[in-house]
Amino acid sequence: GENVEQHPSTLSVQEGDSAVIKCTYSDSASNYFPWYKQELGKRPQLIIDIRSNVGEKKDQRIAVTLNKTAKHFSLHITETQPEDSAVYFCAPRSGTYKYIFGTGTRLKVLA
Amino acid sequence: NAGVTQTPKFQVLKTGQSMTLQCAQDMNHEYMSWYRQDPGMGLRLIHYSVGAGITDQGEVPNGYNVSRSTTEDFPLRLLSAAPSQTSVYFCASSRQDEQFFGPGTRLTVL
Repeated sequence: GENVEQHPSTLSVQEGDSAVIKCTYSDSASNYFPWYKQELGKRPQLIIDIRSNVGEKKDQRIAVTLNKTAKHFSLHITETQPEDSAVYFCAPRSGTYKYIFGTGTRLKVLA
Repeated sequence: NAGVTQTPKFQVLKTGQSMTLQCAQDMNHEYMSWYRQDPGMGLRLIHYSVGAGITDQGEVPNGYNVSRSTTEDFPLRLLSAAPSQTSVYFCASSRQDEQFFGPGTRLTVL
């Protein structure tokens, strides 16, 4: 079956620093690459996504980069703030509607 | 527009009991899915549906049944609850790419 790995599993950064989380997937047919943020006790919410025909996408302090050849995509958060503290999940899509979630990265932004 | 709703929010079952988790969406989305999230883990896909009358298995389908008789509803049935099914269950829907999640059901099986 499909395999999705996220690294690191935990990440602590000082407020104002940058954070990078990497997601590696195995299915070469994957065509959609989202990142979700989940705060404690809440539902996952989409923060940024990218499609297979695009290499990079940016939305204010958040960016996603995709390397389809190497089968990985990364989440970049610049100028981190305490409210960025949460668990982040990648969930590449295989086929029409089959999203496989990574195991998550717990980001702590230290004030 | 309520989005994706789930009931109940909390449920405690005894081993061997059966129950149905309800999920509904009012966005006319074709795609719906069920996930479970164990403590400190990611979401694992249980079953999904690409339209009314069409369902398929995800990563961890054993012990669960689904049906999709309408576009709006996608109930998840636990046939004979086991302690290993203690988890938080999320339903999600999508038209194309972005998935919208319900608030979740926290299930405990004793």
